[in-house]
Amino acid sequence: QSALTQPPSASGSPGQSVTISCTGTSSDIGGYNYVSWYQQHPGKAPRLMIYEVTKRPSGVPDRFSGSKSGNTASLTVSGLQAEDEADYYCSSYVGVNNYVFGTGTKVTVL
Amino acid sequence: EVQLVESGGDLVQPGGSLRLSCAASGFTFSNYWMNWVRQTPGKGLEWVANINPEGSDNYCPDSVKGRFTISRDNAKNTLYLQMNNLRAEDTAIYFCARFGVVAATDYWGQGTLVTVSS
Repeated sequence: QSALTQPPSASGSPGQSVTISCTGTSSDIGGYNYVSWYQQHPGKAPRLMIYEVTKRPSGVPDRFSGSKSGNTASLTVSGLQAEDEADYYCSSYVGVNNYVFGTGTKVTVL
Repeated sequence: EVQLVESGGDLVQPGGSLRLSCAASGFTFSNYWMNWVRQTPGKGLEWVANINPEGSDNYCPDSVKGRFTISRDNAKNTLYLQMNNLRAEDTAIYFCARFGVVAATDYWGQGTLVTVSS
């Protein structure tokens, strides 16, 4: 199972929005509504931001939103804040209790 | 408070073995699927293995199949990863994580470093 494809980097100024894409195939993203997104600051463990494509765990700001169209999922961060600068990874269920992560995107707040 | 604390990471020679442990607290461990995820230094995340609450079913990708075995002891609230025939490409930080919501991990440990080198 190949890693999902994400852009290496994305950036935006404070208050702006940034959208990160995550491209897979009909065997992963396109086949299931089980896409999740994780935020990771340097030296820290990943933090769950979105699950089941659009759902936010408690404690995650509503500035973070997820969507999916076909084989591509997206994470949008609205109203960018300095603390949003981090690496972001998508993940998808691929069947038979198997999962795959994306290649990761470094978000920079300008 | 949910806590996951990994241990057992070390420097090991190629072909060697290592067992990682993850001590869980703050939740009913026996109710949750658990998994191991690794991260190569400076690179991305890779799912390594998962196991059902009873410990009777487990899954892993082809990259570690036949070499890595996930297990759990619900009486001790502990998750394990037995790693055999280690290769240089297994060098990574290994995280223990809980499947707390559908198809996603809501709590992660801080990780333990495994280095495979001669």
